[in-house]
Amino acid sequence: DGGITQSPKYLFRKEGQNVTLSCEQNLNHDAMYWYRQDPGQGLRLIYYSQIVNDFQKGDIAEGYSVSREKKESFPLTVTSAQKNPTAFYLCASSPWTGGRYEQYFGPGTRLTVT
Amino acid sequence: DAKTTQPPSMDCAEGRAANLPCNHSTISGNEYVYWYRQIHSQGPQYIIHGLKNNETNEMASLIITEDRKSSTLILPHATLRDTAVYYCIVRVDGSWGKLQFGAGTQVVVTP
Repeated sequence: DGGITQSPKYLFRKEGQNVTLSCEQNLNHDAMYWYRQDPGQGLRLIYYSQIVNDFQKGDIAEGYSVSREKKESFPLTVTSAQKNPTAFYLCASSPWTGGRYEQYFGPGTRLTVT
Repeated sequence: DAKTTQPPSMDCAEGRAANLPCNHSTISGNEYVYWYRQIHSQGPQYIIHGLKNNETNEMASLIITEDRKSSTLILPHATLRDTAVYYCIVRVDGSWGKLQFGAGTQVVVTP
């Protein structure tokens, strides 16, 4: 099955610890994205990457870091600098089809920091 | 950036058509209208998109007004599995790959 895998589904961490969320896709998509969703709100873009070894900050990149060493992988690290890390994190990917495209989302990781 | 306005919630009876409105009065000529939906605690799912012509696929129909200032997503025969938050999104011009998600419309399909 082609798709996007995020693991784990639920993650618990103590305050002050860095944590890395996994995102893998086998759709051969060029672009990948990380979003954050808080209860009752829409998605907000954290980082995105159009090609390997390149990525751009989204609207709320502070306290987060990413890497894109392989086309199929785009891990997100939530650092201790992120003030409110508890949230639902969603990874997405998209093909490039001349400007018209859609994003395919993974199942999400729910991070709880206490 | 073109902004979208959607009603916060709406109910629909199972088997009936659900018509979801969206206003995007500041949309630019080269911006597309996208619709996604998110079932509780899952990742969003792409539904349909369009520029100025009406579009239909296996999930839904998209009707865009001639002036492109508003659109309507139509779920022709709503089922209980269509209960979700529906997002109307205009692709942000100049920012490759970026989708601006608002609060969406919570649709509840009732038996």
